[in-house]
Amino acid sequence: EDQVTQSPEALRLQEGESSSLNCSYTVSGLRGLFWYRQDPGKGPEFLFTLYSAGEEKEKERLKATLTKKESFLHITAPKPEDSATYLCAVQDWGSNYKLTFGKGTLLTVNP
Amino acid sequence: DVKVTQSSRYLVKRTGEKVFLECVQDMDHENMFWYRQDPGLGLRLIYFSYDVKMKEKGDIPEGYSVSREKKERFSLILESASTNQTSMYLCASSLGTAITDTQYFGPGTRLTVL
Repeated sequence: EDQVTQSPEALRLQEGESSSLNCSYTVSGLRGLFWYRQDPGKGPEFLFTLYSAGEEKEKERLKATLTKKESFLHITAPKPEDSATYLCAVQDWGSNYKLTFGKGTLLTVNP
Repeated sequence: DVKVTQSSRYLVKRTGEKVFLECVQDMDHENMFWYRQDPGLGLRLIYFSYDVKMKEKGDIPEGYSVSREKKERFSLILESASTNQTSMYLCASSLGTAITDTQYFGPGTRLTVL
């Protein structure tokens, strides 16, 4: 059974203080690893898809990396508007499109 | 841009009522999904559909049914609503290609069953 564990559950940063969120996963065959951002009361917003170990993707202050066991979402010089819950999900080749989600990391960036 | 819309942002229903939640996507996606999201439990898949009139159970299908009569529209039905179905309901769609299958989410419906 696919499993996704995100850490920490919550992270509080000062504006400009860089940090990383972790997503550890177990799948039989990784088809893709997805990062989403979710604001309170809204649906998840797609950020990145990673497919193979060593892959990296960037968008503004966010950079996602992937190894065979985990993914990191690096946040460089965060701003208050980066405050949100960040969700990680994996898709297994044998899962028929199903995503398995972690429970998310709640990021708060204080000005 | 992919756009997924849901019929209501907030909904309040009584126990035993039949509830319809509707989802529409405008990107000609093959796959559509219904999730519910609860604090401490994360997102859980209820049902998904990979083609018109085709459906497959997710992890928590009990108490729910779905309908997909047109490619762009996917409905979630609560035949007899119960208080434990109070939740945030999220619809998603994906293109369904062999290589990449990113799911795009709608804004969500917050359902309260009294």
